[in-house]
Amino acid sequence: GAGVSQTPSNKVTEKGKYVELRCDPISGHTALYWYRQSLGQGPEFLIYFQGTGAADDSGLPNDRFFAVRPEGSVSTLKIQRTERGDSAVYLCASSVDSYTGELFFGEGSRLTVL
Amino acid sequence: QKEVEQDPGPLSVPEGAIVSLNCTYSNSAFQYFMWYRQYSRKGPELLMYTYSSGNKEDGRFTAQVDKSSKYISLFIRDSQPSDSATYLCAMSEGGYNKLIFGAGTRLAVHP
Repeated sequence: GAGVSQTPSNKVTEKGKYVELRCDPISGHTALYWYRQSLGQGPEFLIYFQGTGAADDSGLPNDRFFAVRPEGSVSTLKIQRTERGDSAVYLCASSVDSYTGELFFGEGSRLTVL
Repeated sequence: QKEVEQDPGPLSVPEGAIVSLNCTYSNSAFQYFMWYRQYSRKGPELLMYTYSSGNKEDGRFTAQVDKSSKYISLFIRDSQPSDSATYLCAMSEGGYNKLIFGAGTRLAVHP
């Protein structure tokens, strides 16, 4: 596709459930990023991948959050035992590389935990 | 105290006005400074990118960085209703790989 694609665009779940959010980056982009944006706040860094490996996962809030990018393209953010505080828009971005490349963001996956 | 502080607004101006947006930061290791625009329910898009101190101009937009004061600004000349959006400053120590964003300033330009 022409841009970063994120699915689902909206997800409503109950507290304690497991959630997967998917990101399909721009073709050829080697770097992929996950950010979380709470209402009225700027995006908060979670993790970024250079290729298949997580180059920096220091922003993941706790061990309930995990992300993979097994083939160096599509990435999945996984949240276990969701809590109401996890409600936010989860933004994915990709870039040509992690140092010099401009980030192109998707429209986000809006997660609501009831 | 947050690493990056940005007044959330909202800021309301008439069409044609000059708009000034700014951020302050505390981490002296920041070298890369960016401004993003975010429309409602969309992802942020890069407007301006500056390395270290100085000014950069692109059309109606001018970005300024004053590292001695830890202060960055974005000026929008001849503002248009289509400029109505949230403007986010972002910065990093090294390239694009880990951006720290401000909270964003909501701007409304009315005809």
